[in-house]
Amino acid sequence: NAGVTQTPKFRILKIGQSMTLQCTQDMNHNYMYWYRQDPGMGLKLIYYSVGAGITDKGEVPNGYNVSRSTTEDFPLRLELAAPSQTSVYFCASSRSGRPYNEQFFGPGTRLTVL
Amino acid sequence: AQKITQTQPGMFVQEKEAVTLDCTYDTSDQSYGLFWYKQPSSGEMIFLIYQGSYDEQNATEGRYSLNFQKARKSANLVISASQLGDSAMYFCAMRESSGTYKYIFGTGTRLKVLA
Repeated sequence: NAGVTQTPKFRILKIGQSMTLQCTQDMNHNYMYWYRQDPGMGLKLIYYSVGAGITDKGEVPNGYNVSRSTTEDFPLRLELAAPSQTSVYFCASSRSGRPYNEQFFGPGTRLTVL
Repeated sequence: AQKITQTQPGMFVQEKEAVTLDCTYDTSDQSYGLFWYKQPSSGEMIFLIYQGSYDEQNATEGRYSLNFQKARKSANLVISASQLGDSAMYFCAMRESSGTYKYIFGTGTRLKVLA
């Protein structure tokens, strides 16, 4: 199993550009999450999904969009990039909604908006 | 409201000594899970240990143990025999059984192991 994979690993965007961060998991997990981590800070939840076709906002959804057409994929779309979106983005998955299921994280995407 | 608090922004420990990283939580759920993750300087998030709210014994995984005190709502991570490779950021997290299936993370503790 590859686990959770994210592409790209690094990206530099200009203000106003858009991009999609890709996330794929091969563990057949229903629950998937997108977090951002600003330098020296903890994780903030952007969006999450409890299954294909179902998504919901986290605490910092503004400026982002998601879709979940398959169990495996959970792409994050940045529209009109702003310097405030400079961060490391982590995708994660968990098997179910039970409290004892840990999250599996991807390696992260380091995004810089100039 | 559910919340995780890590009050130690940074900690130092001498190599081969034990260290305790503090974590307190707030929840009204009876069933919940508590997790610790390690984030080394390379950036990946590594799952370390899990404790369920109904588990009577403290969780252990190798050199990691979780000192779970339910009445105090604390879930401290104990690392025994610290190694230089333990230098990293450590995050405490919680997941409730009800509600929105989210994980709540603390702000983290940066541990530095000294040779």
